[in-house]
Amino acid sequence: AQSVTQLDSHVSVSEGTPVLLRCNYSSSYSPSLFWYVQHPNKGLQLLLKYTSAATLVKGINGFEAEFKKSETSFHLTKPSAHMSDAAEYFCVVSDRTGNNRKLIWGLGTSLAVNP
Amino acid sequence: DTAVSQTPKYLVTQMGNDKSIKCEQNLGHDTMYWYKQDSKKFLKIMFSYNNKELIINETVPNRFSPKSPDKAHLNLHINSLELGDSAVYFCASSQAGLIYNEQFFGPGTRLTVL
Repeated sequence: AQSVTQLDSHVSVSEGTPVLLRCNYSSSYSPSLFWYVQHPNKGLQLLLKYTSAATLVKGINGFEAEFKKSETSFHLTKPSAHMSDAAEYFCVVSDRTGNNRKLIWGLGTSLAVNP
Repeated sequence: DTAVSQTPKYLVTQMGNDKSIKCEQNLGHDTMYWYKQDSKKFLKIMFSYNNKELIINETVPNRFSPKSPDKAHLNLHINSLELGDSAVYFCASSQAGLIYNEQFFGPGTRLTVL
């Protein structure tokens, strides 16, 4: 079965500094991986997805993630944090159950951006 | 145009009541989901329907009953509400058959049981 582990429950950075949110996954086959973002009191928005094409995936708002099969990782990065990036971030892997698919969610990483 | 919409956005009710949350998507997707997000932000899938057929039914009390009148709608009815049902409920949709199964989410319904 697939699983996903977000290594940090909380990350705090200063505005203008790089962001790194770590995610490791476990999958018995080639996975599809996603990062979703949830701003305070808002719904969930897809940031980016990996679907077995390029291993470096670019998303919205300047975020990107690199799929590393050897490390079973899919870390999310951004070169320079903005105050508006403060939110909850979820790493997600797509699981296959017979012909059905469902998303397996990490527990989330709360990103705080300090002025 | 809102892709996935839910009503109501907020729902405050007493223990023991019965309530419903409605969800509609205009993306032409054939699969819809209900998730529960607790106070610790943990997201748990509850149900999934594909073309009005139940395909995922996680361990959820049978007080929760989803209903899909057509593939664009998935409603959630909750009987005999309990304090522990307080959470944010998200509806989502996706197109089955796609390898990556990207899901689009509604804005959520914050349910508070008093």
